[in-house]
Amino acid sequence: AQSVTQLDSHVSVSEGTPVLLRCNYSSSYSPSLFWYVQHPNKGLQLLLKYTSAATLVKGINGFEAEFKKSETSFHLTKPSAHMSDAAEYFCVVRSGGGATNKLIFGTGTLLAVQP
Amino acid sequence: EAGVVQSPRYKIIEKKQPVAFWCNPISGHNTLYWYRQNLGQGPELLIRYENEEAVDDSQLPKDRFSAERLKGVDSTLKIQPAELGDSAVYLCASSLRGTANSPLHFGNGTRLTVT
Repeated sequence: AQSVTQLDSHVSVSEGTPVLLRCNYSSSYSPSLFWYVQHPNKGLQLLLKYTSAATLVKGINGFEAEFKKSETSFHLTKPSAHMSDAAEYFCVVRSGGGATNKLIFGTGTLLAVQP
Repeated sequence: EAGVVQSPRYKIIEKKQPVAFWCNPISGHNTLYWYRQNLGQGPELLIRYENEEAVDDSQLPKDRFSAERLKGVDSTLKIQPAELGDSAVYLCASSLRGTANSPLHFGNGTRLTVT
């Protein structure tokens, strides 16, 4: 079965400093992995996705993530945090093979950005 | 394009009462999903529709939950009777197809509080 583990429930950074949100995955085959962001009282928005192409994936708003098979990790990074990045971030793995589009969400990491 | 629309945004009911949530997916999206997000957790899939057919309802508590998607467009999720543990955010999402690489678009959710 596929699963993801988000290693930090809360991360706090200062504006202008780098962001690192950690995610490890478990999958019996090459996974499809995603990062979603959820701002307060808003719907989930796709940040980026990895589907076995380039291991370094660039997303919206300056975020990127690197797929590392040897470490079973898919950490989300951003060089410089902005106040508007404060939100909850979910690491997600697609469950099942073939045509299925069932997503398994991690428990989320709440990112706080201090001025 | 208009996004996924959900209503109501908030609902407060007493336990044992019925409640219904409505979702209007993005026009042309064949696949519709209902997720439940408990406080401090990631969303969990309740049911997935391909057009009007429920193709995955394995996580739907069928003793009290029901869903329908008449004509393969709008969908309604119902709980009867509601229990205290049903307090959560109920998210609707849609995608063009149910296949991989067809991104999910989420609505803003309905926050249910059962007292």
